Amino acid sequence: NAGVMQNPRHLVRRRGQEARLRCSPMKGHSHVYWYRQLPEEGLKFMVYLQKENIIDESGMPKERFSAEFPKEGPSILRIQQVVRGDSAAYFCASSPGLNGETQYFGPGTRLLVL
Amino acid sequence: AQTVTQSQPEMSVQEAETVTLSCTYDTSESNYYLFWYKQPPSRQMILVIRQEAYKQQNATENRFSVNFQKAAKSFSLKISDSQLGDTAMYFCAFMSQTQGGSEKLVFGKGTKLTVNP
Repeated sequence: NAGVMQNPRHLVRRRGQEARLRCSPMKGHSHVYWYRQLPEEGLKFMVYLQKENIIDESGMPKERFSAEFPKEGPSILRIQQVVRGDSAAYFCASSPGLNGETQYFGPGTRLLVL
Repeated sequence: AQTVTQSQPEMSVQEAETVTLSCTYDTSESNYYLFWYKQPPSRQMILVIRQEAYKQQNATENRFSVNFQKAAKSFSLKISDSQLGDTAMYFCAFMSQTQGGSEKLVFGKGTKLTVNP
């Protein structure tokens, strides 16, 4: 049973470019969560999605950031017009969707903005 | 809003000894879940152990156990017979059990544990 997949593992962008981060949940999991980890800090919640629905985006910056989880295909976290402060590790987690179920994490995408 | 506090930024322990990592949290809810995740140098987040707040019995997973004190809002992690592979950042996390609500994890800032040979 494959775990949570994220790609790319490393992404380098110049200021002003767009970054697209992909997450494929574990088989049988319908809930996806995105977290951001700044250097030397813990993970901070960004957004919680189910298929075709955003359930909670209270942790998402109001501008430049968006997320989707389409009916088919992976979940996408999109950052437009990246700035240096967006440099961080972005983790995706998935769960079966039952209340209180453990979230299993992917290996993360390390974004570096030059 | 819930908060999670890990008061020990760094700790070290000798191989084969026992170490306890502290975690306290703040919530007004009575039903919730608590987790410890490990992040080794590879940066992968790995579940160590979980605890349901409604269970009085402390969770145990092999060499890892917790001391859950609900009234004190404390959730410490004990690692017995420490091994070199236990060297990692350890994060305590809280999840609300609110029905229909967000199931986001709220993390502490982490404790960097080093196991010395």
